[in-house]
Amino acid sequence: GAVVSQHPSWVICKSGTSVKIECRSLDFQATTMFWYRQFPKQSLMLMATSNEGSKATYEQGVEKDKFLINHASLTLSTLTVTSAHPEDSSFYICSADPGLAGHNEQFFGPGTRLTVL
Amino acid sequence: AQSVSQHNHHVILSEAASLELGCNYSYGGTVNLFWYVQYPGQHLQLLLKYFSGDPLVKGIKGFEAEFIKSKFSFNLRKPSVQWSDTAEYFCAVSNSGYSTLTFGKGTMLLVSP
Repeated sequence: GAVVSQHPSWVICKSGTSVKIECRSLDFQATTMFWYRQFPKQSLMLMATSNEGSKATYEQGVEKDKFLINHASLTLSTLTVTSAHPEDSSFYICSADPGLAGHNEQFFGPGTRLTVL
Repeated sequence: AQSVSQHNHHVILSEAASLELGCNYSYGGTVNLFWYVQYPGQHLQLLLKYFSGDPLVKGIKGFEAEFIKSKFSFNLRKPSVQWSDTAEYFCAVSNSGYSTLTFGKGTMLLVSP
């Protein structure tokens, strides 16, 4: 149980284009989903927290107009990197929290490797 | 704000050696503690977690961790490592009642056969 999927697993795009990454909780409903980015040989940095049906909360330094997050249902959140540039190339990871009382835990997706040319 | 420090960025061990990776956090309140592993080219997997109860937690693949509240620590241990344990290990902490995680910078473990 508690499986989280991401699509696509990798994507290459041209500079200036937008890329959408999907995150799905396959066998549970997620009240909260999180988006991270991970640079090579570095830790996960939280970008934003999203709750179903409400606006995402972005971490300091993360541009909300550049990284659009939509959490339209309890099983799906999307991250759109708008007007991507080479410096946006990274590994993007989502996670989902089923919201079990007294047991806050995130389940991680496999990640999406974004390369912007 | 919560911060998590992992003392070793790189650890190199021979097979069968014992392992201990340090993890310290800053927040003094009630916390939930996690260790994750990321094998080369793979996604994050949960090794073990602590929410409450016995401070000695046993996880998968022979790993265990001990929560020492007085030291704000949650060190990861394994008595005898294998080559297949080569991976990056992340300690993470959340404040009790919340799922937002703060990650340490990670420790890259290389086990030589």
